[in-house]
Amino acid sequence: DGGITQSPKYLFRKEGQNVTLSCEQNLNHDAMYWYRQDPGQGLRLIYYSQIVNDFQKGDIAEGYSVSREKKESFPLTVTSAQKNPTAFYLCASSMKTAAGYGYTFGSGTRLTVV
Amino acid sequence: GENVEQHPSTLSVQEGDSAVIKCTYSDSASNYFPWYKQELGKRPQLIIDIRSNVGEKKDQRIAVTLNKTAKHFSLHITETQPEDSAVYFCAASIKIGYSTLTFGKGTMLLVSP
Repeated sequence: DGGITQSPKYLFRKEGQNVTLSCEQNLNHDAMYWYRQDPGQGLRLIYYSQIVNDFQKGDIAEGYSVSREKKESFPLTVTSAQKNPTAFYLCASSMKTAAGYGYTFGSGTRLTVV
Repeated sequence: GENVEQHPSTLSVQEGDSAVIKCTYSDSASNYFPWYKQELGKRPQLIIDIRSNVGEKKDQRIAVTLNKTAKHFSLHITETQPEDSAVYFCAASIKIGYSTLTFGKGTMLLVSP
């Protein structure tokens, strides 16, 4: 069954900790994205990647890092430098980043700072 | 960069009524405009999209219209049903090099039986 899988569904982070959110797709999509969703803020782009070993900063990249070592995987690390990390994080993929290719979203990870 | 404004932020209708959600975009180079529906606690899902060479597109009870001159596009839902209750996001994308979707802030649609 093709799709995009995010894990874990819920994640709790202590102050000063780095945490990594997993995103895996088996759709053979070239492009992958991370968005952050806050109430009333819509979806804001953190990072995106067009191909393996290449990624670009989005609008709110500070305090986050990513890697793209495999086409199928695009993990997001929320570092201790991100001062307000509590949010819902959505991973997405598309065939390419060129316009006209819709996104397929994962089911999200809800991160809470404790 | 692109900026997408979406109105209203909340919309309440009675079952059977029509609902209209409007978005404006800032970059005249944008040429792809998808709409996503996100039910509570679930992932956003693409429900309809339109490209800049088309003025209107319909799919059963939903339709999207695009006015390139005014740089706005709208989602129309007719004969609304309670299961249409969700948050709807519009987005815009530019076809130049690497392109990503810029999303509006969303509209919460509540359909009362």
